[in-house]
Amino acid sequence: AQSVTQLDSQVPVFEEAPVELRCNYSSSVSVYLFWYVQYPNQGLQLLLKYLSGSTLVKGINGFEAEFNKSQTSFHLRKPSVHISDTAEYFCAVSETGGSYIPTFGRGTSLIVHP
Amino acid sequence: DVKVTQSSRYLVKRTGEKVFLECVQDMDHENMFWYRQDPGLGLRLIYFSYDVKMKEKGDIPEGYSVSREKKERFSLILESASTNQTSMYLCASSANLAGAYEQYFGPGTRLTVT
Repeated sequence: AQSVTQLDSQVPVFEEAPVELRCNYSSSVSVYLFWYVQYPNQGLQLLLKYLSGSTLVKGINGFEAEFNKSQTSFHLRKPSVHISDTAEYFCAVSETGGSYIPTFGRGTSLIVHP
Repeated sequence: DVKVTQSSRYLVKRTGEKVFLECVQDMDHENMFWYRQDPGLGLRLIYFSYDVKMKEKGDIPEGYSVSREKKERFSLILESASTNQTSMYLCASSANLAGAYEQYFGPGTRLTVT
């Protein structure tokens, strides 16, 4: 069984500052990794995903994440945030080999202040 | 683009009422899911379905049932609504894309049981 830990429940940051949202996972097999974003009063949408290959993955809206197998981490970063990035961010993991049920972290609320 | 729609954005029901939440996806996805989302608890899987008329319990199925009579439609039923079922309900669908199953979410239904 896999699990996902998002280490921060809330991350406040000022506009134009860099941000990192942390995600660690545990699994006994190889995994696929995802970050989803949920804007206020909306459903979740995919921000980026790691399936294989390059460990640095670029997503929408200037976000990127780096897969670190030795540290079992998949941290999300953005060099300069905007007010519009204020949202809930969810890390998710699913096992390779056909598992279609992901495990989600509890979410990190990113709050961008002007 | 994949579209997942949910029948209501906001719903207010009384304790003891039977409640139906409907979800429709337009991309011929095999898998469909119902989650509930509560502050601090993230997404919790209620039920999922991998084919028409097939259903499997998720992590918190008590008090809920589901129906999938057509591939594109997945319904969540609260047989007798209770106040502890006040929550945001999210529907999702997924299909196999290069071995991974990224999920597509609807906008959510915020249910209040009084």
